[in-house]
Amino acid sequence: NAGVTQTPKFQVLKTGQSMTLQCAQDMNHNSMYWYRQDPGMGLRLIYYSASEGTTDKGEVPNGYNVSRLNKREFSLRLESAAPSQTSVYFCASSEGAGGPFLSSYNEQFFGPGTRLTVL
Amino acid sequence: GQQVMQIPQYQHVQEGEDFTTYCNSSTTLSNIQWYKQRPGGHPVFLIQLVKSGEVKKQKRLTFQFGEAKKNSSLHITATQTTDVGTYFCAGNNAGNMLTFGGGTRLMVKP
Repeated sequence: NAGVTQTPKFQVLKTGQSMTLQCAQDMNHNSMYWYRQDPGMGLRLIYYSASEGTTDKGEVPNGYNVSRLNKREFSLRLESAAPSQTSVYFCASSEGAGGPFLSSYNEQFFGPGTRLTVL
Repeated sequence: GQQVMQIPQYQHVQEGEDFTTYCNSSTTLSNIQWYKQRPGGHPVFLIQLVKSGEVKKQKRLTFQFGEAKKNSSLHITATQTTDVGTYFCAGNNAGNMLTFGGGTRLMVKP
């Protein structure tokens, strides 16, 4: 099993460009997440999907959109990239269908990350 | 909203010394999770604590959940260079999203 996979690993964008980060998991997990990680700020939740067909905003959703394409795949789109979106982006999944809320099965499995630079 | 804070932000230790990182919440937590992220890597789940006063051990790592369920600690005995990385706690209670602390970056001098 590959676990959680993300593409691309690295990306450089110019301000105003758009791009989609792809994420897939092969563990049959119900919940999927997108986080951004900035130095000294830990992991901040951008969007999550508590089950196939649903998506909800996390702590820092502005400037992003998501799509839960099917149970396996959860993509993150930047419509008009800004330098403030320079960060490392992690996708994660967990077995329970409660998303980031209390669940007996909310151990999260993270992908390898995408390092995004916006110039 | 719920906040989870970790101290210290950084810690340098000599190999063989002990290390402790502390996690404090502004609200009572239902559970707390700990993750480790190696340099250049991704967070990896270590453990979850759910009971008041719970203590769990994994080899040289000891995890503790406070009696009031508002704080937690991770203690590493006799650090090794393989312990290098950033340790995150994350917690939530009913109605609140899982919130990550800012992490403690551990550096070990051989």
